[in-house]
Formats: sequence, structure tokens, C-alpha cells
Amino acid sequence: DTGVSQDPRHKITKRGQNVTFRCDPISEHNRLYWYRQTLGQGPEFLTYFQNEAQLEKSRLLSDRFSAERPKGSFSTLEIQRTEQGDSAMYLCASRAGGTLAYEQYFGPGTRLTVT
Amino acid sequence: AQKVTQAQTEISVVEKEDVTLDCVYETRDTTYYLFWYKQPPSGELVFLIRRNSFDEQNEISGRYSWNFQKSTSSFNFTITASQVVDSAVYFCALSGPGTGANSKLTFGKGITLSVRP
Repeated sequence: DTGVSQDPRHKITKRGQNVTFRCDPISEHNRLYWYRQTLGQGPEFLTYFQNEAQLEKSRLLSDRFSAERPKGSFSTLEIQRTEQGDSAMYLCASRAGGTLAYEQYFGPGTRLTVT
Repeated sequence: AQKVTQAQTEISVVEKEDVTLDCVYETRDTTYYLFWYKQPPSGELVFLIRRNSFDEQNEISGRYSWNFQKSTSSFNFTITASQVVDSAVYFCALSGPGTGANSKLTFGKGITLSVRP
């Protein structure tokens, strides 16, 4: 049973460039979450998908951020016109549906550095 | 709004010492879920435990034990006979009821545990 995978693991980009991250959840997990973690802080929620529907977005997700989950499988998170303040670890998590499975399982994260 | 407070920022112990990591939470929900995650130096968050608000039984798993007290809104984590491999950042987290958007996790700032040989 493979876990959550994320690609790339590291990304260095110049300010103003666009970047896209990919998350592959655990198979059959229909719920998918994106979080952002900065140094010395806990992860902060960005957005949530149930199957292909994006059901909630945090106010942290400015209009430069967009996330998709076509066909309810993998998900992508795109940041347009990156800023230095976007430098962080971007974490993806997935969980099973139903009322007995509340644990979220996290991927290894994508560390973004904006220079 | 939900809030998780981990007042301890860094703890350093010598191997084989017991250590308790504190977590205090705030929520207006009557049904909620509490979690502990471990983040080793490799960076990946590892799920340790989930506790439902309606189940105040304490839990023990090997060297790990958790004490949930609704009266004080606390969910503390104790490692008995700590080992060097326990060195990591530990996060307490809270989610609301249901399986919808309120299932998102609210994390504390984490506690860095260093276990010295």
C-alpha cells in the first residue's frame, strides 16, 4: 500500500515565475488536503477536495494560487507570479471517506524556495 | 474558531527519561477530533493517534501514552523511557465534526524534542 506522494520534492524558482506541484493520494482516498508549513510553524490549511470538488479554500489561498483535482485522483497546486513570501513547505494529505476514518496521511512535501 | 496551543517549544532530555508534551485546545464544536503527529528530521508528518471528543479513555501504545481531559481541554502525550529515535517535532492538531470541509486540521506550533544519548 503506497503512501501519499508529492512531486517535486524541492523547487527553486525566481520571483515572478509560475510553479506547479503535484500530489498523488493514497488510492481510494477520496478526500485530499493541501497545507503550507513555514519554518518553526505548524502546517496551515490551504484547500480541501472531496473527489473532484474543491469544497473549501482558506483565505491564505490568494488569487495567485489555484488547485485542481481532475477526475478525483491526483491534485495539482499552482502558484502564479511567485513571491518570496511563498517560500515554504507545501504538504498534501489524504484520507478515506466515511465516518470512521478521520486520520489524514501526509506526503513528504514540496519545499519551495523563491529567490 | 479552533485553536491549538503547544506552550512548550523545545524540550531536551537524556535517553531513558520520561517526557510529557502538552497540548491545549479551543473549539466551540461539541464533537471534534484530536490528533498527534510526529515530524522527524526527514520532514514527513507521521500520524500517531486520533482521539474522539466523546471518548475520554486514555490510551497506551508501547512507550507512548495519551491523556485526554475535556475538563481542561487538554490532550497530553507522554513518552516513557525516551530514545534517540524519538527526536522530532511533535504536533497536536484538532478537527471539527463531520466529514466535510470542517475536517481540516488546525495544528499547534509544534514541540521540538531532542533526546540525547
